[in-house]
Amino acid sequence: GQQLNQSPQSMFIQEGEDVSMNCTSSSIFNTWLWYKQDPGEGPVLLIALYKAGELTSNGRLTAQFGITRKDSFLNISASIPSDVGIYFCAGQEAAGNKLTFGGGTRVLVKP
Amino acid sequence: EAGVAQSPRYKIIEKRQSVAFWCNPISGHATLYWYQQILGQGPKLLIQFQNNGVVDDSQLPKDRFSAERLKGVDSTLKIQPAKLEDSAVYLCASSQTPGAVEYFGPGTRLTVL
Repeated sequence: GQQLNQSPQSMFIQEGEDVSMNCTSSSIFNTWLWYKQDPGEGPVLLIALYKAGELTSNGRLTAQFGITRKDSFLNISASIPSDVGIYFCAGQEAAGNKLTFGGGTRVLVKP
Repeated sequence: EAGVAQSPRYKIIEKRQSVAFWCNPISGHATLYWYQQILGQGPKLLIQFQNNGVVDDSQLPKDRFSAERLKGVDSTLKIQPAKLEDSAVYLCASSQTPGAVEYFGPGTRLTVL
């Protein structure tokens, strides 16, 4: 089956920094999604991408659908403490197909 | 609009016992999903319903897991008998149609001792 490799697995942020994470796939996807999961909660959709090359923003978040359709990137600008959490990418091969999730990027605050 | 509801939020059982989880999707959402999320991993789809019919249960361990959505609204997921490796968070999600945005519930954290 498809595999999504998400990196980095974890990162420390300092307030005000920009952070980036990415997801690569062994298969082509028609849809890329980015979710955030807080402790004890289910994932919440942040951004959905439906077209290769698409660049979409949601506040301080920007995500891109890679041209090859096998990767996607998420950037967070000017990070704040509430950005802490686990970010998941998810891909969908075709409309109506199931989602495949990456392993997550855990964002932590620098001590 | 109310979100996806799940209960219980936490459950601790011993191996070989049975357990059941309940999910109430967002009103009007025809598609319902059950995911298993093992600690440190992303969610993995177990089963997808469209109304009261099963669309995809290819990753459901059918020897011990079962799920139903008899009236096309609420759903239950059962594990019988549980194994240690079933310890995970079980997430329910719903969407208006297959492939549309999925909205997740808070999950049920299962610990099997």
